[in-house]
Amino acid sequence: GDSVTQMEGPVTLSEEAFLTINCTYTATGYPSLFWYVQYPGEGLQLLLKATKADDKGSNKGFEATYRKETTSFHLEKGSVQVSDSAVYFCALSDVPASGGSYIPTFGRGTSLIVHP
Amino acid sequence: SQTIHQWPATLVQPVGSPLSLECTVEGTSNPNLYWYRQAAGRGLQLLFYSVGIGQISSEVPQNLSASRPQDRQFILSSKKLLLSDSGFYLCAWTKRGNSYEQYFGPGTRLTVT
Repeated sequence: GDSVTQMEGPVTLSEEAFLTINCTYTATGYPSLFWYVQYPGEGLQLLLKATKADDKGSNKGFEATYRKETTSFHLEKGSVQVSDSAVYFCALSDVPASGGSYIPTFGRGTSLIVHP
Repeated sequence: SQTIHQWPATLVQPVGSPLSLECTVEGTSNPNLYWYRQAAGRGLQLLFYSVGIGQISSEVPQNLSASRPQDRQFILSSKKLLLSDSGFYLCAWTKRGNSYEQYFGPGTRLTVT
């Protein structure tokens, strides 16, 4: 079945440092890939997405490139801020299950802590 | 624009009591709807999903149930809560025909005492 593997956290950085959160996946089809962010006490928010190979998703200074050859979708940001402290989830959506419902597969999440 | 609502935001219930959590989506029609639980730590556990009124699929056997009485309403219920039901419950929806990104509600924090 499909799976998503994220690097274990927490990732602790100083403000303005470079961020990379690794994500690799296995899928039977040709999935769409996503990064979601969850701030403390809130629901998840879609951060960025990519739907085909070599697509780069970007939002709020975060970027991730769909690498089919390495089955990866690593999240990067050039200069993190304290406000970026949150939990980040990598996810994929593959071909629909019966009834037309996509059942996404999520990674376990990576906690990011940014210190001033 | 589409919005998703969940209530209540927080709930403290004794063991053995019933539960009803509600989720509604505005601004779209015929969405796929999902209930997740997030226990201590960060992982998401898919509990139920629905592709239409009255159509519920269960992913994990447990003492919870779900119903979809209207197109944009999704309800999570239990007849008797267990301590292990404590957690953060998230409702989400997707629009069919796109890349199926999910949109999540604000969540309900349930504490069973």
